[in-house]
Amino acid sequence: DTEVTQTPKHLVMGMTNKKSLKCEQHMGHRAMYWYKQKAKKPPELMFVYSYEKLSINESVPSRFSPECPNSSLLNLHLHALQPEDSALYLCASSPTGYQPQHFGDGTRLSIL
Amino acid sequence: GENVEQHPSTLSVQEGDSAVIKCTYSDSASNYFPWYKQELGKGPQLIIDIRSNVGEKKDQRIAVTLNKTAKHFSLHITETQPEDSAVYFCAANDLNSGGGADGLTFGKGTHLIIQP
Repeated sequence: DTEVTQTPKHLVMGMTNKKSLKCEQHMGHRAMYWYKQKAKKPPELMFVYSYEKLSINESVPSRFSPECPNSSLLNLHLHALQPEDSALYLCASSPTGYQPQHFGDGTRLSIL
Repeated sequence: GENVEQHPSTLSVQEGDSAVIKCTYSDSASNYFPWYKQELGKGPQLIIDIRSNVGEKKDQRIAVTLNKTAKHFSLHITETQPEDSAVYFCAANDLNSGGGADGLTFGKGTHLIIQP
């Protein structure tokens, strides 16, 4: 079992809905990441938090809004998503920003 | 930013044989190269990594080699077993991502099939 826990495992939402994805780790890691993975493709970096501060935003549309309320928790708030946003959303963490990243099993998101 | 090429896209080997997956990267400043194994319905699992001050690293049946001059690195799996079947991704850190942390740029993945 992974030590990075993501909830929910599956999410189906309409284009007008607002929902949030949650990621938790209790390893004391101070860097946390969001990646997006489309089917049969590699993960693509979306956001990076280092010591609870957003340090990287890879030009992600504003309908995705990250939040890091504390060092153990990372959220991704979703609003007015498009069908092409359907994907597996992966969270990862590392002790600091320059050390190995460990992934959760992801949230599979479907936009109707 | 960094660009990582990975070959082959599919690799089928007989159980017990060796498998080799190769990657090249574009940014000579990259200095960290992890390999991930992803099984169906799971997130990527780190299986081995190497930093640019080392040419080779081994962990039981898995080894990684790095050639900084040529900007390529390879994953070697010996004595393959059915449970090695999965998608394998190479990656390189993207030092241009910004301060405080490195993002990873992944190769397109290799579907490794172990034939019994």
